[in-house]
Amino acid sequence: EIVMTQSPGTLSVSPGEGATVTCRASQYISTNLAWYQHKRGQAPRLLIYGASTRETGTPARFSGSGSGTEFTLAISSLQSEDFAVYYCHQYNDWPGTFGQGTKVETK
Amino acid sequence: QVHLVESGGGVVQPGRSLRLSCVASGFNFQINGMFWVRQAPGKGLEWVAAISFDGTTKYPADSVKGRFTMSRDNSRNTVYLQMNSLRREDTAVYYCAKRGRDGYIDYWGQGTLVTVSS
Repeated sequence: EIVMTQSPGTLSVSPGEGATVTCRASQYISTNLAWYQHKRGQAPRLLIYGASTRETGTPARFSGSGSGTEFTLAISSLQSEDFAVYYCHQYNDWPGTFGQGTKVETK
Repeated sequence: QVHLVESGGGVVQPGRSLRLSCVASGFNFQINGMFWVRQAPGKGLEWVAAISFDGTTKYPADSVKGRFTMSRDNSRNTVYLQMNSLRREDTAVYYCAKRGRDGYIDYWGQGTLVTVSS
């Protein structure tokens, strides 16, 4: 099983600042990586797939990068609605595996 | 517009069974793989089971293998999760989810809560 290691576990950020979340795969997964946003009491939401392709409706302040085993989700200038938990998901060997999640909270 | 509506959650005693259902609409259900993903209290997302578009291939997670079975009825646009021998650690919100083109999840339901407690 491919293990996804996500860091940090929690990120404290002030509104308007940027944030970066990292995901590392235990094996090569090409660009078969997605990022989801999850807010309490809501369904998770797809933000990015193919490591860097924004889903329709994902704001441009969200960007994904990486390939192989190292991946990054960057959020520029955090808005109030961006404070949530973010998960990576490798789907190179379907159904894949999730990272542990990163909580982005207000500083 | 894609909709996934789960039902069947509730409170159940350890060792008992429960069946979750998810009715899908707004897309061509019979050509898409589907997932069940859960989130236990205070924990992250964990995929529980997945199924191919035609139901011939099933992928149970190790944590539920031998206890949970995912199935689908393409004539009813519905997937099911039969959960047997439930344990307290199966307590979670269970989400139904749709496979996207390359294998990621592009749509999620709102979830149904399963509580395993005596």
